[in-house]
Amino acid sequence: EADIYQTPRYLVIGTGKKITLECSQTMGHDKMYWYQQDPGMELHLIHYSYGVNSTEKGDLSSESTVSRIRTEHFPLTLESARPSHTSQYLCASSELGQGINGYTFGSGTRLTVV
Amino acid sequence: QQQVKQSPQSLIVQKGGISIINCAYENTAFDYFPWYQQFPGKGPALLIAIRPDVSEKKEGRFTISFNKSAKQFSLHIMDSQPGDSATYFCAASRGGGNKLTFGTGTQLKVEL
Repeated sequence: EADIYQTPRYLVIGTGKKITLECSQTMGHDKMYWYQQDPGMELHLIHYSYGVNSTEKGDLSSESTVSRIRTEHFPLTLESARPSHTSQYLCASSELGQGINGYTFGSGTRLTVV
Repeated sequence: QQQVKQSPQSLIVQKGGISIINCAYENTAFDYFPWYQQFPGKGPALLIAIRPDVSEKKEGRFTISFNKSAKQFSLHIMDSQPGDSATYFCAASRGGGNKLTFGTGTQLKVEL
């Protein structure tokens, strides 16, 4: 079944630790995105990629970095986690041309930095 | 800069009633307007979408109304059910396949 997977679902980590949030999709989509979702619901785009070796920063400034070495994989890394990074991180993908199919979202990673 | 403004922030509707959520956009280059539904602990899921060449699109109990001149679009949920209780996001993008700008979300609760 075509889908998009995020791991871990929940992560509690200490300040200063390096973390990588994983995102993989099985749909062969070229475009992938990372959104940060505030507790108050709003979604903010922090990174996106339109294909292998292509990454761009989104509308919300973020200290995280991303890579796109394979079409299906779009991990997000925080070199030194801080309490201000506590949030939910959502990964999404879409096909070129988007059409009417829109984004497919993963279930998210809820990150807590203590 | 909020390019897509959504209201209300929260909404309580009785079972069987009509839920209405409104969005307004600023960028006239936007040409794709989807609505997403998000349940707790899940990522948003596409509910219904519209392009500006039509004024209304209906899928089951869900209808998008689109007013291009006013730069507004709305989601109507007919015969609202408790299972519709979720957070709803409107969104917009420019050109096929480009990044979406989301509204701030509406928490809908449908009471028995």
